[in-house]
Amino acid sequence: EPEVTQTPSHQVTQMGQEVILRCVPISNHLYFYWYRQILGQKVEFLVSFYNNEISEKSEIFDDQFSVERPDGSNFTLKIRSTKLEDSAMYFCARTSTGGTEAFFGQGTRLTVV
Amino acid sequence: ILNVEQSPQSLHVQEGDSTNFTCSFPSSNFYALHWYRWETAKSPEALFVMTLNGDEKKKGRISATLNTKEGYSYLYIKGSQPEDSATYLCASFNFNKFYFGSGTKLNVKP
Repeated sequence: EPEVTQTPSHQVTQMGQEVILRCVPISNHLYFYWYRQILGQKVEFLVSFYNNEISEKSEIFDDQFSVERPDGSNFTLKIRSTKLEDSAMYFCARTSTGGTEAFFGQGTRLTVV
Repeated sequence: ILNVEQSPQSLHVQEGDSTNFTCSFPSSNFYALHWYRWETAKSPEALFVMTLNGDEKKKGRISATLNTKEGYSYLYIKGSQPEDSATYLCASFNFNKFYFGSGTKLNVKP
């Protein structure tokens, strides 16, 4: 299976700035997810995206977060005004159908200073 | 939020030792249990997806079992090698999303 590619691998941003994290999964997969892992904590669910719409989002995924799949290929996570506590490793994942094997990107390490 | 727990948090073994670790998860509304192997700076790599009570899966020296009635899964590594050093994550797939454990970090010394 081709890899899921995430860019950038590492981003440092100032508090209050907007960041866009990108993920390139296979275009014929229907289910996409964003997860994050704050250092030393569990991997946490942010949002799931099915058939080009948000399927479900966690309480972490507030108004500062948004996801898009602008061109049917790239899958982006935008944080409008970053906070220090947004510093984490962000992963995107795809599955062909929900519950089957998931393929993860290598993650984007976001550091908010 | 589903509580998925893994133990131990970390494990140090010698090359050649066999080892196992545990994932426990809520048994109600169970759909699937996933195991991933995650090396630093790489993507988590899928090892097994298990759905049926009593499932046993094997990939080389690594195997896993599943008990959905009592809500646990074991991952076994036979004859550990240094290249097995990684974090092993389990995740329960319920309600259309994955709930992850905190992982077991395995270090295999040559």
